[in-house]
Amino acid sequence: NAGVMQNPRHLVRRRGQEARLRCSPMKGHSHVYWYRQLPEEGLKFMVYLQKENIIDESGMPKERFSAEFPKEGPSILRIQQVVRGDSAAYFCASSRGTGQSGNTIYFGEGSWLTVV
Amino acid sequence: TQLLEQSPQFLSIQEGENLTVYCNSSSVFSSLQWYRQEPGEGPVLLVTVVTGGEVKKLKRLTFQFGDARKDSSLHITAAQPGDTGLYLCAVYGGATNKLIFGTGTLLAVQP
Repeated sequence: NAGVMQNPRHLVRRRGQEARLRCSPMKGHSHVYWYRQLPEEGLKFMVYLQKENIIDESGMPKERFSAEFPKEGPSILRIQQVVRGDSAAYFCASSRGTGQSGNTIYFGEGSWLTVV
Repeated sequence: TQLLEQSPQFLSIQEGENLTVYCNSSSVFSSLQWYRQEPGEGPVLLVTVVTGGEVKKLKRLTFQFGDARKDSSLHITAAQPGDTGLYLCAVYGGATNKLIFGTGTLLAVQP
């Protein structure tokens, strides 16, 4: 039973390029969350999606960032025109139902984005 | 302002020492979770505390939820190098009950 799968694990982009991070949730999980972590800091919530719907994007920067979780395929976090400040670890998590109702949220191993 | 403040921010100790880290808030929560994150990995759930005053033990780790359910502590007895990592408390909050993390405590246990 595979866990939450993220790829790529490491990504290097030049300023101005696009970064696409993919997340395949655990089997049977329809809730996906994205978090960003700067070095030696806690995880900051970005967006919460449930198959084809964005439930909460209150943590997403207003520009350049977007997320989707299509009916088929992985969830994608897309960062356009990357800047040095986007360099961070991006973690995806998934759950079967809402975490509040007792469903454990499982995290992937993260995607490390470096902008040069 | 952070919903959950953790202290200390950094802690470096020798193997065998005891330590306590704290997670504080001015808000009341129905439950609180503790995670550990090792370098290069995602966070892993250690425990969920639900009842005010509740104490849970996980081997050498003791977790306590404050009586008023506003704060929590994690005590490690006889720390080992394998305990090294980032310890994060987390709660469900906001309109959509998303998981919100604390500021984190980075622990280094020297052999």
